[in-house]
Amino acid sequence: GENVEQHPSTLSVQEGDSAVIKCTYSDSASNYFPWYKQELGKRPQLIIDIRSNVGEKKDQRIAVTLNKTAKHFSLHITETQPEDSAVYFCAATPKGTSYDKVIFGPGTSLSVIP
Amino acid sequence: GAVVSQHPSRVICKSGTSVKIECRSLDFQATTMFWYRQFPKQSLMLMATSNEGSKATYEQGVEKDKFLINHASLTLSTLTVTSAHPEDSSFYICSAQRVSGSDNEQFFGPGTRLTVL
Repeated sequence: GENVEQHPSTLSVQEGDSAVIKCTYSDSASNYFPWYKQELGKRPQLIIDIRSNVGEKKDQRIAVTLNKTAKHFSLHITETQPEDSAVYFCAATPKGTSYDKVIFGPGTSLSVIP
Repeated sequence: GAVVSQHPSRVICKSGTSVKIECRSLDFQATTMFWYRQFPKQSLMLMATSNEGSKATYEQGVEKDKFLINHASLTLSTLTVTSAHPEDSSFYICSAQRVSGSDNEQFFGPGTRLTVL
């Protein structure tokens, strides 16, 4: 089955700096890669996603890149703000016949220091 | 946007009792729902895939007789933790899949915090 790894596990940055989180996946059949932000005790919130037919996607301060050949994908947050502090999960979704399981990475705890 | 609810949000029970958690898609039909478990400071671990009108598919290592799943309608899936023990204390989150063209989108419920005494 799919296995998703994520680095780093914790990340501290100064407000205004950039943060980068990297993930790898194992199943070449995965074709959808969402990123989630989770605050303590709350549900994961989808912040950006990318499909396998695209190499890069950007939404304001957030961007995601995908290298299908290497099975790598990364999240980039620019101009970080204290409210960006949370746990971030990457995920990979192997395309199924009738449903798509979302397999999560272990998470990155991001702290933005004011 | 699509809305998924869970009930209850928190539950405390005694060891040996059973607890039922409901997951509802409020504004769309979901033939497939997923159940996750999340321990403190850990990731979401997929427990099982719930399919309307058929048996659930459990991930490796998840006891199907311990975690009973029923997906009786297109908007409701239930997870019953049977004979709960303190090690079952966790945050349980469901998600519902909405089919959109050729793509499937997942929407998460708010989670249920289970504490077994």
